[in-house]
Amino acid sequence: GEDVEQSLFLSVREGDSSVINCTYTDSSSTYLYWYKQEPGAGLQLLTYIFSNMDMKQDQRLTVLLNKKDKHLSLRIADTQTGDSAIYFCAEDTTNSGYALNFGKGTSLLVTP
Amino acid sequence: EAQVTQNPRYLITVTGKKLTVTCSQNMNHEYMSWYRQDPGLGLRQIYYSMNVEVTDKGDVPEGYKVSRKEKRNFPLILESPSPNQTSLYFCASRKVDAGTDTQYFGPGTRLTVL
Repeated sequence: GEDVEQSLFLSVREGDSSVINCTYTDSSSTYLYWYKQEPGAGLQLLTYIFSNMDMKQDQRLTVLLNKKDKHLSLRIADTQTGDSAIYFCAEDTTNSGYALNFGKGTSLLVTP
Repeated sequence: EAQVTQNPRYLITVTGKKLTVTCSQNMNHEYMSWYRQDPGLGLRQIYYSMNVEVTDKGDVPEGYKVSRKEKRNFPLILESPSPNQTSLYFCASRKVDAGTDTQYFGPGTRLTVL
């Protein structure tokens, strides 16, 4: 499918907020997702947002959705060194079944 | 504990030697899928299964086969592996129900084909 775009790297200092951005492709997507992948591990579904929402907050995580621009962001408040990981955004697609289209991932490095 | 297990976790093999990577989930999810993860390419779906005996191709199915004879298992079969199938493979299960989306990924299988 078409590419879901993310910036490749982000570095922040511990305690600051991190904002990871994503541009998706399918305006018909019902759900949009954020995943976290720690080194040597599988993906963990962090949060997702339904397409009729603009914002979703879950503890330190805030997801913003701009459907007009097909832009999704993940804000991590009070970023900790344990948040260092690769973050993937994904869209569900209307192709068939429950197929997901992933971005290439943003490596977040949190420095002390 | 809800989990997706994969075996083996690491495998080094040679071109042409058939191999199977097993995947099992204990959540009774109907939907399962296989992805490969390659540097600079992110995750790409290989095959998926909506239910027992129902499978379909994802974005990169060439060189792979799957089967879904029972709900909990979804093995990935490489009949004649080639070096371009060297990759990190993830199995996943998923359930979408009443607006709730539950997904679990396995820990990954790192495959090297020489």
